[in-house]
Amino acid sequence: GAVVSQHPSWVICKSGTSVKIECRSLDFQATTMFWYRQFPKQSLMLMATSNEGSKATYEQGVEKDKFLINHASLTLSTLTVTSAHPEDSSFYICSALSDRYTGELFFGEGSRLTVL
Amino acid sequence: RKEVEQDPGPFNVPEGATVAFNCTYSNSASQSFFWYRQDCRKEPKLLMSVYSSGNEDGRFTAQLNRASQYISLLIRDSKLSDSATYLCVVILLSGGYNKLIFGAGTRLAVHP
Repeated sequence: GAVVSQHPSWVICKSGTSVKIECRSLDFQATTMFWYRQFPKQSLMLMATSNEGSKATYEQGVEKDKFLINHASLTLSTLTVTSAHPEDSSFYICSALSDRYTGELFFGEGSRLTVL
Repeated sequence: RKEVEQDPGPFNVPEGATVAFNCTYSNSASQSFFWYRQDCRKEPKLLMSVYSSGNEDGRFTAQLNRASQYISLLIRDSKLSDSATYLCVVILLSGGYNKLIFGAGTRLAVHP
């Protein structure tokens, strides 16, 4: 089956630094990738929709200058949390929409960010 | 009104019980529907797609009612391992892009 690889799986950083998270589709092309955030005991919250070759579409309340999304190729999207603060600590998950698999979503394993 | 609504639960059921979850969606242009399962601190995993004609996979049955704009998931003969959060996912085309909408999830706890 299709696989989405997300890296790093966990990261600890100091307040004020930037963190980049990568999401790769390993055996299919993903024209659309999604980025989510999940706080403990809460539901997945869609942050943005990333379309290859165009600007990401951000959900209401998500700062596009703080959460930079780049989808430069059909197999890679990146999320950069700029100037991270402790309140940005969360579980970030990406998913990719596979045209080959009739619109099925494939999720990365998630990246747990802890900002000190 | 939320675009996708689910009963948050938790549903506490004994092993062997049958349990049903519903999910309603507000946008009639919604195209694709899925049920995902999420274990604590893990990423969601696809449980099953939901087709207009209804579909079954072992102990799991999914149904779609477009007229009433809801989907359902039925779990028969519940196992302890079924304990998880079940997420309803709706995909619709919006502004030329696929828009993905998650329900908040329904927690299921199966006890001995």
